[in-house]
Amino acid sequence: KQEVTQIPAALSVPEGENLVLNCSFTDSAIYNLQWFRQDPGKGLTSLLLIQSSQREQTSGRLNASLDKSSGRSTLYIAASQPGDSATYLCAVRPSSGSRLTFGEGTQLTVNP
Amino acid sequence: DTAVSQTPKYLVTQMGNDKSIKCEQNLGHDTMYWYKQDSKKFLKIMFSYNNKELIINETVPNRFSPKSPDKAHLNLHINSLELGDSAVYFCASSQGFGTGELFFGEGSRLTVL
Repeated sequence: KQEVTQIPAALSVPEGENLVLNCSFTDSAIYNLQWFRQDPGKGLTSLLLIQSSQREQTSGRLNASLDKSSGRSTLYIAASQPGDSATYLCAVRPSSGSRLTFGEGTQLTVNP
Repeated sequence: DTAVSQTPKYLVTQMGNDKSIKCEQNLGHDTMYWYKQDSKKFLKIMFSYNNKELIINETVPNRFSPKSPDKAHLNLHINSLELGDSAVYFCASSQGFGTGELFFGEGSRLTVL
């Protein structure tokens, strides 16, 4: 059974700092991995989708990497801003089947 | 234009009542999902429909019944509501069953008193 862990559970940083959020998964037979952000009381917004054949994806100040063999993904946020404050979730889709497994999220606070 | 929209956004009701949540997507996707987010913010899939056909039906009480009248709509009906049903329910859609990027609605917060 796939298990997805996100560390740390919460992170507080000053504005402007570069930061890394971690996501690890136990079963490396994945189809893709998706990073989301969730603002309080809101739905999930897709940030980046990495296919199993890819090593990384970039969108603006965000860069997500994937190392299937070690069961790890990282989300790098450059020059963080207060507007980046949210909960960040990673979700893994298995190579067979379609049940996404979500991590519990990292709650990020960027202080002005 | 909202891609995945759910109604109502908030729902407060008494134990034992029956309620429905509606979901519509205008992305042209062929797969829709219902997820439940509990008080610990953990997201768990409940159902998935592909081209109006039920594909995933997790271990969910049969008081929960999804209905997909067409590819763009997936509704969730809940009978005999219980306190433990209180949660946020999210609808999502993707193109391609098991492959596409997931897009979520804003959620429907259900509170059972």
